[in-house]
Amino acid sequence: DAGVIQSPRHEVTEMGQEVTLRCKPISGHNSLFWYRQTMMRGLELLIYFNNNVPIDDSGMPEDRFSAKMPNASFSTLKIQPSEPRDSAVYFCASSSSNYGYTFGSGTRLTVV
Amino acid sequence: EDQVTQSPEALRLQEGESSSLNCSYTVSGLRGLFWYRQDPGKGPEFLFTLYSAGEEKEKERLKATLTKKESFLHITAPKPEDSATYLCAVQFDNYGQNFVFGPGTRLSVLP
Repeated sequence: DAGVIQSPRHEVTEMGQEVTLRCKPISGHNSLFWYRQTMMRGLELLIYFNNNVPIDDSGMPEDRFSAKMPNASFSTLKIQPSEPRDSAVYFCASSSSNYGYTFGSGTRLTVV
Repeated sequence: EDQVTQSPEALRLQEGESSSLNCSYTVSGLRGLFWYRQDPGKGPEFLFTLYSAGEEKEKERLKATLTKKESFLHITAPKPEDSATYLCAVQFDNYGQNFVFGPGTRLSVLP
């Protein structure tokens, strides 16, 4: 199993540009989570899906952030327009039932 | 409000010097407590799950224990390769599949 796959690994973009982060969860996992990690705030949940349906998006900072899960094997997190304060490492994780998450390697986003 | 705290924020040990990390939580229905290890530039890696007070889990030099309000991660005779940030996460009854992560403890083991 290749684990949770995220792309790109690094993204540098200019303020105002649209950014799309991608995630492929582990096959058979029915829950998918998007987290953001910064030095100041640690790991923060942005949104999670269960069986491809968004369950809790209360962590999405504002309307500039959106996430989709069109099928069980793919999810995207989009930021439009991006701002410098969005710079962070974005993690995708997947899980099944009550087992611990399996995290991807993350996307390091820098908005200049 | 349900919260998860960890102490100390950072810990520096000499190789072979055993110690413990703490994870405390205020909870309205604990479903499970999870420990993760995170190396720089990588995602957190799952270590243990604990579900009930009194439960213990072991893996190599690590041992996790759980009480009603806190969990300890004991590190016995650590080696430099144990250096990492250790995160605990708590799953509460009213949070569905969500986990609330603590801020982590940065462990450095010096040779």
